[in-house]
Amino acid sequence: SQTIHQWPATLVQPVGSPLSLECTVEGTSNPNLYWYRQAAGRGLQLLFYSVGIGQISSEVPQNLSASRPQDRQFILSSKKLLLSDSGFYLCAWKGNTGELFFGEGSRLTVL
Amino acid sequence: AQSVTQLDSQVPVFEEAPVELRCNYSSSVSVYLFWYVQYPNQGLQLLLKYLSGSTLVKGINGFEAEFNKSQTSFHLRKPSVHISDTAEYFCAVSGPLSGSARQLTFGSGTQLTVLP
Repeated sequence: SQTIHQWPATLVQPVGSPLSLECTVEGTSNPNLYWYRQAAGRGLQLLFYSVGIGQISSEVPQNLSASRPQDRQFILSSKKLLLSDSGFYLCAWKGNTGELFFGEGSRLTVL
Repeated sequence: AQSVTQLDSQVPVFEEAPVELRCNYSSSVSVYLFWYVQYPNQGLQLLLKYLSGSTLVKGINGFEAEFNKSQTSFHLRKPSVHISDTAEYFCAVSGPLSGSARQLTFGSGTQLTVLP
């Protein structure tokens, strides 16, 4: 069966520091992968999606970037965090009938 | 383009009472519809999905939803809720499976709070 993992689960970082959140999927090959963010009290915002290695589409211009160095690995990064980057970050992969399967989430607090 | 509206941001209900969480969508093409549940500090979990066929869809944890094409709605229901159903619920819509990978549009969520 397919599984998806994210880490770290929680992260507290100062403003201006770098960020790296990692997501890996097991049990499937060449998945479509997604990064979403939930800010406090707000819905889901699609940040990036990827249909294959090295292929990244950005939905919202921002301080973040994404990379897909391997088929089942999706990384969210920032060179310098802003206060507004705080939130709950969710990685997901897309199933055969269009549904998304989500990881456990990574909570980022920028101070 | 497609959009999803969840009409209630918060729904309080007493334990063992029935509940309905409302979802309306707009789309120029045929759609697939989903409900997700999110418990605090966790990812989203798929409750149920409508792809085609019977308009009444049954999901996990005793939830069901009914697709109504004429009213463009996909309301989620449960006949008797438990304290453990307290969570945020998201409705989502997807266009046809062919085409862009970016297809799933989420509503803003409904916080269901079950009171003892």
